[in-house]
Amino acid sequence: GNSVTQMEGPVTLSEEAFLTINCTYTATGYPSLFWYVQYPGEGLQLLLKATKADDKGSNKGFEATYRKETTSFHLEKGSVQVSDSAVYFCALSDRSGAQKLVFGQGTRLTINP
Amino acid sequence: NAGVTQTPKFQVLKTGQSMTLQCAQDMNHNSMYWYRQDPGMGLRLIYYSASEGTTDKGEVPNGYNVSRLNKREFSLRLESAAPSQTSVYFCASSEPPSGGPDTQYFGPGTRLTVL
Repeated sequence: GNSVTQMEGPVTLSEEAFLTINCTYTATGYPSLFWYVQYPGEGLQLLLKATKADDKGSNKGFEATYRKETTSFHLEKGSVQVSDSAVYFCALSDRSGAQKLVFGQGTRLTINP
Repeated sequence: NAGVTQTPKFQVLKTGQSMTLQCAQDMNHNSMYWYRQDPGMGLRLIYYSASEGTTDKGEVPNGYNVSRLNKREFSLRLESAAPSQTSVYFCASSEPPSGGPDTQYFGPGTRLTVL
């Protein structure tokens, strides 16, 4: 079946540091790939997405590129802020009717001033 | 627009008690989902409803039932709660475009503790 694996957390960085959160997937066919973010006490919200190989999703300074050859979708940001502290989830969606999401285990990110 | 709303926000049950978690969306979406979130395991799909009048099992359906009451509302019922059902429950909705990616919109969650 489909699955998503994220790098183990938690991750702690200083403000303005470079961020990478690794995500790899296993899927049949050509899934869509997503990064969702969960701020403390809230539900998940979409951060960015990509639908086909070599697509780059971007939002709020975050980027991720759909790499079919390495089955990866790593999240990056050049300079993190304290407000980026949250839990980040990588997910994939098959292209069946209901397009169910399969999530990775989540990575907790803490940014220190 | 309120988006996706869930009630209650918190609930404590004793083993064997029953309860229903309510979810409503005002975005006119066809598809709705129930997930549970447990530490270190991400979110796992319990049940989903691709459209009004249909429901299907997800990855972890045992111990749960659902009702798609109408297009707006999708409830999750625990008939006989067990400590293993202690979790945070999220409802989500989406409007899958034909052939395109599916952005799901999540509610704020219900934190359930079963003693």
